[in-house]
Amino acid sequence: NAGVTQTPKFRVLKTGQSMTLLCAQDMNHEYMYWYRQDPGMGLRLIHYSVGEGTTAKGEVPDGYNVSRLKKQNFLLGLESAAPSQTSVYFCASTCREQLCNQPQHFGDGTRLSIL
Amino acid sequence: AQSVTQPDIHITVSEGASLELRCNYSYGATPYLFWYVQSPGQGLQLLLKYFSGDTLVQGIKGFEAEFKRSQSSFNLRKPSVHWSDAAEYFCAVDVYNYGQNFVFGPGTRLSVLP
Repeated sequence: NAGVTQTPKFRVLKTGQSMTLLCAQDMNHEYMYWYRQDPGMGLRLIHYSVGEGTTAKGEVPDGYNVSRLKKQNFLLGLESAAPSQTSVYFCASTCREQLCNQPQHFGDGTRLSIL
Repeated sequence: AQSVTQPDIHITVSEGASLELRCNYSYGATPYLFWYVQSPGQGLQLLLKYFSGDTLVQGIKGFEAEFKRSQSSFNLRKPSVHWSDAAEYFCAVDVYNYGQNFVFGPGTRLSVLP
């Protein structure tokens, strides 16, 4: 069982470059999320999706875009990377029902450095 | 402001000692409550959750947590810590109780002395 898979695991970018982080889940979950994790701040929600073709802003959406063209995939894009976006990014997914046994499944993270 | 707080940034305990990690939230209604653990370089693993009912919940790896409505707290406990428990622990709140808006606390880093 792969669960939630994030690619790539590590990436170094120069300021102004663009890139896309891919999240794939094989659990047929409806909801998917992108978080960033910074020291002392826990996880902060960037964007989320409640189903294929729908996305919504979270707590810190500026500088990021997302797309959910397929139910199993949730893409996070940085159009013009900035040093403030250096962080560890986590993807998560969950099923629709309130009483899921696993409210959110997490990927192993993508460590992104912007120089 | 609505928030989740974990007052202890870093806790060090000796192996075999008991552990309590604190979590407080400031939401009007009782949200769904969770504890996650993150080992270095890994994603988050769910330890336990509280939705309703018995306020003392059991989780994996010998952890338990107690929900206290009057104190808006959901503290995590373990009677005897093992060296492998060294990790970062996050309390989380599902604000609307349907999985769409998780709010995480800042985390507590646990170190275990041999």
